[in-house]
This record gives sequence, structure tokens and C-alpha cells, in this order.
Amino acid sequence: DTAVSQTPKYLVTQMGNDKSIKCEQNLGHDTMYWYKQDSKKFLKIMFSYNNKELIINETVPNRFSPKSPDKAHLNLHINSLELGDSAVYFCASSQDTPLGAGWKETQYFGPGTRLLVL
Amino acid sequence: GQNIDQPTEMTATEGAIVQINCTYQTSGFNGLFWYQQHAGEAPTFLSYNVLDGLEEKGRFSSFLSRSKGYSYLLLKELQMKDSASYLCAVRASRAGGYNKLIFGAGTRLAVHP
Repeated sequence: DTAVSQTPKYLVTQMGNDKSIKCEQNLGHDTMYWYKQDSKKFLKIMFSYNNKELIINETVPNRFSPKSPDKAHLNLHINSLELGDSAVYFCASSQDTPLGAGWKETQYFGPGTRLLVL
Repeated sequence: GQNIDQPTEMTATEGAIVQINCTYQTSGFNGLFWYQQHAGEAPTFLSYNVLDGLEEKGRFSSFLSRSKGYSYLLLKELQMKDSASYLCAVRASRAGGYNKLIFGAGTRLAVHP
């Protein structure tokens, strides 16, 4: 049973295209995240949703638009793809409560989506 | 600002002990995580410290000193499968009560026979 799943696993596309990545978690968590890991392996938060509400929105170009239809799903749509968008995108989830106990907030990561923009 | 430093690479011998250090400067510090990431795979949780001291979990231990902004991950009885990147991540509290994780660049550990 996969806890956090992402599709697709690999995505190769041309510059200027629009693409979507989907994420689903079956852990019953309230909070989901999108991270970008670049070629230098830096893992950086992009967005976070808690119960379908956007709670973290880092300085990400507005070509990136997350959507959370329900608390088990968080999708990422990217418009007008650029070469610099090539990276691995990880989805994660946690049971996150405001100022909650740390043990409840361990983030569980999906397998990643490897995006290559040509 | 937020800053997390850890060595880029380390090598060690199978069966030995290795210590991976992490120093941080963050506002709203609210805990520190260590994650392991094998090449081409997702990060997986190893340990969490929010109070000063040592947390032990089998072959892995993690230490935190909040006054020094310092943590280390100690791996004992190294095995070849421990070759991976080890990511230090600080949990920082934000306005509105939600936290976010700020990751270091990771330390790539190579274990040799």
C-alpha cells in the first residue's frame, strides 16, 4: 500500500508546454506539500495546503498553480514550462496542527516526479 | 535569515562510526529533523529532536544543542546500504501557527568495504 503516490514518475516535455503532476496520500493527513529538488539536491518547499487551504506559498513563479480538490489530493499545474523548471518534484504529507507536537508532524514523501524540459 | 550548513560529502568504512554535523541559524526554531535519501529515491524520516540532548534509535542517534544551533547524526556499525544523502531540516514556526521545514543541502555519505 503506497502512502504518498505521485504521477507521473517521469515527465519529458518541450519548453512552453503546460503540464500537471498529481499527488495522493492515503495516510489521512491534513497537510500536503510540494517541494522542488534541483540538480544540486537542494530540497525547497514550494506550497503547502492544510485541509484544502493554502498555508505556505513561497516565492514561486505564478506559472506554478497548486490545486487541492480534497485533503487527500494535491496537484501541481505548471504553465509555459522553462528549462529551469527541470528538477525532481516531491509531494509530501503530514498530520500538521498549529504549534502541534513534533512527532505528529513528520513529513512522508512521495517517490518524486522527474521533470525534464527540453 | 535562514541558514543551514552541513558538509557536502563524507566517506567512511564499513563497520565504522561516522558523525554528520549540521549548524543552523533560523528564526522561530521549533525542532530539527534528519532524513535519509538514497539516490533516485524519496527522503525518508530518520530522527527528530526538539529538546537538547541525544535521541537514540538503533544504529542511528541524533543530538541537538539549541543554544549552539548545532545538531549531529551519528551512524554506528556502518553498512554499505547506509551510502546515501543525509538531510538536516529545521522546523521553523511561522505566523498563523503553521510550521515549515527548511532543508540543508544534504551530506552525501559513501561507505566503502
